[in-house]
Amino acid sequence: RKEVEQDPGPFNVPEGATVAFNCTYSNSASQSFFWYRQDCRKEPKLLMSVYSSGNEDGRFTAQLNRASQYISLLIRDSKLSDSATYLCVAYSPSGTYKYIFGTGTRLKVLA
Amino acid sequence: EAGVVQSPRYKIIEKKQPVAFWCNPISGHNTLYWYLQNLGQGPELLIRYENEEAVDDSQLPKDRFSAERLKGVDSTLKIQPAELGDSAVYLCASSSRDRGYAGELFFGEGSRLTVL
Repeated sequence: RKEVEQDPGPFNVPEGATVAFNCTYSNSASQSFFWYRQDCRKEPKLLMSVYSSGNEDGRFTAQLNRASQYISLLIRDSKLSDSATYLCVAYSPSGTYKYIFGTGTRLKVLA
Repeated sequence: EAGVVQSPRYKIIEKKQPVAFWCNPISGHNTLYWYLQNLGQGPELLIRYENEEAVDDSQLPKDRFSAERLKGVDSTLKIQPAELGDSAVYLCASSSRDRGYAGELFFGEGSRLTVL
């Protein structure tokens, strides 16, 4: 079982739709969580950090549920430019200070 | 501010040949990472440096892969000899991490390796 699991998708949604991605992590010692965005053939870039109960940035909302060990990303009013792969990342400060990436969820926003 | 710089961007080699990738992290970032990314997968850590010390190389296939970070700045990742399965994107990232606090990872554009 992978330490960070995501549904690979693809999620095909129309412009203006609301879409949500979930991510589960298995290491209960994970302390911090992030969503990275990766465009096709580009490097990952930080979209949002999720440090406590959640975080909101414009149309994007990330939620953390420590009891169930999952985080989510909600995108409201989807834009064509939101089409990308969204990578869930868990950070564990114990031992090796490791960032563990999920496989990513592909989103395609359709006109 | 300059970002993480990697070279070469693309490399095509025949199997059994050696290849090397170079990374220059963001100035002042003490932590440097090399990740491997296969198509449709997330990045997987190969090695992490704190300054010039390799503190996590447990996922580095040491029979053919080697890395160094001289003077705690630039880093080189080498594969010798390359195998067909090594075809992937090799990503370098850096961060400025205070102990216990997860800083943002900044990635370079990656080095795309094709082994024929």
